Amino acid sequence: DGGITQSPKYLFRKEGQNVTLSCEQNLNHDAMYWYRQDPGQGLRLIYYSQIVNDFQKGDIAEGYSVSREKKESFPLTVTSAQKNPTAFYLCASSIGGSTEAFFGQGTRLTVV
Amino acid sequence: DQQVKQNSPSLSVQEGRISILNCDYTNSMFDYFLWYKKYPAEGPTFLISISSIKDKNEDGRFTVFLNKSAKHLSLHIVPSQPGDSAVYFCAASQDNDYKLSFGAGTTVTVRA
Repeated sequence: DGGITQSPKYLFRKEGQNVTLSCEQNLNHDAMYWYRQDPGQGLRLIYYSQIVNDFQKGDIAEGYSVSREKKESFPLTVTSAQKNPTAFYLCASSIGGSTEAFFGQGTRLTVV
Repeated sequence: DQQVKQNSPSLSVQEGRISILNCDYTNSMFDYFLWYKKYPAEGPTFLISISSIKDKNEDGRFTVFLNKSAKHLSLHIVPSQPGDSAVYFCAASQDNDYKLSFGAGTTVTVRA
């Protein structure tokens, strides 16, 4: 089945450690995205990539990094510079702009 | 600065009745609008969209209305069913822009 796979579903890390969240899609979509959701808030865009080997900062990119070496994969690294990393992280993909984005099941990251 | 606003954090409706969810936006450049449905600990799923050249789009029990002059859109669900109980997000983007701006969401509870 086509879709977006995020792993793991739950992740715990100690404060000060970097952590990488995985996102893979087999929808053959050019664009991929990372969003963050906090309680009572909408989804906020962290980074997005329109095409392989290219990515742009979203609204809250500080403390995060990404890579897009393959069309299918868009991993997100939460660095120790991110001040409030505990959140629900969502990866998405789309054919292009002004089209619906399809989301993965999310990764809940808890930093202790 | 939140460009998409859902001012009602929650809505309770009786099964079989109409659910009306509202969304306002401030960016007059937005021309593509979407509604997503989200269950706890899952990724959002796309429901319905509308472009600015239309004022109404219908898909089964779901209808989205767009009032560009008022910068307002609404989602009607008729008839409401227990499985509709979820958080609904409104989202918007500019022409061919890859970035989606999301509202904070409205939690719908359908009572039996």
